[in-house]
Parts: sequence; structure tokens; C-alpha cells
Amino acid sequence: GDSVTQMEGPVTLSEEAFLTINCTYTATGYPSLFWYVQYPGEGLQLLLKATKADDKGSNKGFEATYRKETTSFHLEKGSVQVSDSAVYFCALSGRDDKIIFGKGTRLHILP
Amino acid sequence: KAGVTQTPRYLIKTRGQQVTLSCSPISGHRSVSWYQQTPGQGLQFLFEYFSETQRNKGNFPGRFSGRQFSNSRSEMNVSTLELGDSALYLCASSPRGPSSYNEQFFGPGTRLTVL
Repeated sequence: GDSVTQMEGPVTLSEEAFLTINCTYTATGYPSLFWYVQYPGEGLQLLLKATKADDKGSNKGFEATYRKETTSFHLEKGSVQVSDSAVYFCALSGRDDKIIFGKGTRLHILP
Repeated sequence: KAGVTQTPRYLIKTRGQQVTLSCSPISGHRSVSWYQQTPGQGLQFLFEYFSETQRNKGNFPGRFSGRQFSNSRSEMNVSTLELGDSALYLCASSPRGPSSYNEQFFGPGTRLTVL
């Protein structure tokens, strides 16, 4: 069945560092891909999405490009802030409309 | 516009009991999905309701059930609680369903602890 694999955390970076969180997927057909973020004590929020190959989703300085050839959707940000500390989830929505989430990557940004 | 609300926020139960969790979606949203979040398994899809009908179901035992009312509010019920049911239960709503083109809006969750 469909699945999402993302790098395990925690990831600890200094403020203004470059961030990459890897995400790869397995799916039949052409799924839509998402990144969600969960701040402490809150539910998930959609960060960005891409619905077809080569699409780039972007929001709040974060970017991810839908790469069908490598079945990847890596999350990047050029300069992280302390306020970016959260758990990040990669997810896909396949033909049956179910959303499949990765296990999440906890990100700590040090001032 | 008010967000997704879930009640209660915290719940402590003992093994063998049953529990009912409630979710009020964003006004106008007709789809409600439920997820279980645990440190070991991550986020797992339980089920989705759309216009009072269960439209999708994850791989959970029959002890987990849900329903949706005509005002789109949803409840999920877990019977005969087990220790492994301790988790954060998240509810998400969307306008038409969790399809590729619909963002899901999540509530803050209900933290269930089973002793």
C-alpha cells in the first residue's frame, strides 16, 4: 500500500542554518503531497502542498518540490528561526483519498 | 471563523471502560476525519465521515467506531479500552473530503490516557 518515509529526528540546528528534512513516498498513480507542521500543544497545520510532478509548494520561507523520478518531496528552508521549532509531517493523498502521514520529524532550533 | 474544536481535551480512563470523543468541524465543512497519534506509530487514519456516512476507514479494530450528525459534528467511540489506546486523537475537517485538493484543518486533539 501507499507509504511515506521521512527522516527521523530530532533535528537540531542553530538559528539561520539551512534546513532539509527528507521525505520519500511509495504510491500507485499520482498522489498529492503535503507537509504539515505541529507546534507544541496544537493540532496539525498545512504548511505547503504540491499536486503534480515538478510542482513546488512554498509557504513561510519553506519549499518542497514534487520529484516523481525520485519519489521525493524534501522540505527546505534557507534560514531557520527559533519559532520554526515544531514537528513536521510529510503526507500523501492517493487514489482512495486517504491521507497517509510519515512518522514526523521533530525540529529544534537553538538561538 | 472558529476552528475545529474537540472535547474533552484530556481524558483518563481505565482498561475495559469505553469513551466518547467529540469534534465540531469548521462551519460549512462536511467532512470529518479522525486520526490516532502515538509516539511509536505516528499518525494513523481511523475513519472519515462525509454527510453522515462513513466514506473511508483505516485498519483499526471494531472497538473503534464513529458517527456524524446532520450538523456535521462527529463523535468517535472506543469500547473496551486497552492500555495501547492511550494516544492523542485528532479530528480534522475539510469542505468536501480529504482529497488531493482539499486542505484538512485539524483540531488540537483529545489526549486519552488509559490506566
